[in-house]
Amino acid sequence: DVKVTQSSRYLVKRTGEKVFLECVQDMDHENMFWYRQDPGLGLRLIYFSYDVKMKEKGDIPEGYSVSREKKERFSLILESASTNQTSMYLCASSDMGLAVYEQYFGPGTRLTVT
Amino acid sequence: GDSVTQMEGPVTLSEEAFLTINCTYTATGYPSLFWYVQYPGEGLQLLLKATKADDKGSNKGFEATYRKETTSFHLEKGSVQVSDSAVYFCALMFSGGYNKLIFGAGTRLAVHP
Repeated sequence: DVKVTQSSRYLVKRTGEKVFLECVQDMDHENMFWYRQDPGLGLRLIYFSYDVKMKEKGDIPEGYSVSREKKERFSLILESASTNQTSMYLCASSDMGLAVYEQYFGPGTRLTVT
Repeated sequence: GDSVTQMEGPVTLSEEAFLTINCTYTATGYPSLFWYVQYPGEGLQLLLKATKADDKGSNKGFEATYRKETTSFHLEKGSVQVSDSAVYFCALMFSGGYNKLIFGAGTRLAVHP
């Protein structure tokens, strides 16, 4: 069965802390994505990666960075957490190519920054 | 830019009622269209999709038809169940590489017995 896992379901951090959110997929997918989900705004793309060590900014990259050292793992980093980064974070993965491929999502990490 | 607009929720229905959730899109080309569903406490999962005009996607009793002339992809179900209570997201994607999705804001559906 297809699986995308995220390291934590709930996380509470203090303002200014460095935060790591981890995502692992077992489908050998090339593409991986990080979104944040906020009420009334839907999902917004933060960063995505189409290959190991490759990354592209999404729509709201400010305050975030990412790392993809292995194909199956994609990390989201909040260099200095702020309260406006309190949100639900969702990771997804998909195949790459000319066809339209479904994105598979992890269960999400609800991050609270106090 | 490209965008997706969904009807605002919450939508509250009685069991066995008919469901429509409206979705319209703005896009420069011809995207593929998706409905994703998020059950409480879970991530998103694909409900159905359509890749070209006049295609009908269907799954679990839900249907949506890709209408190019009205740039719409409305979700329908003839008889909802309590277990359909979830948040529904309409999304578009352009093929040809990264499979990036653009999502609508989501519509919460609550079905009561």
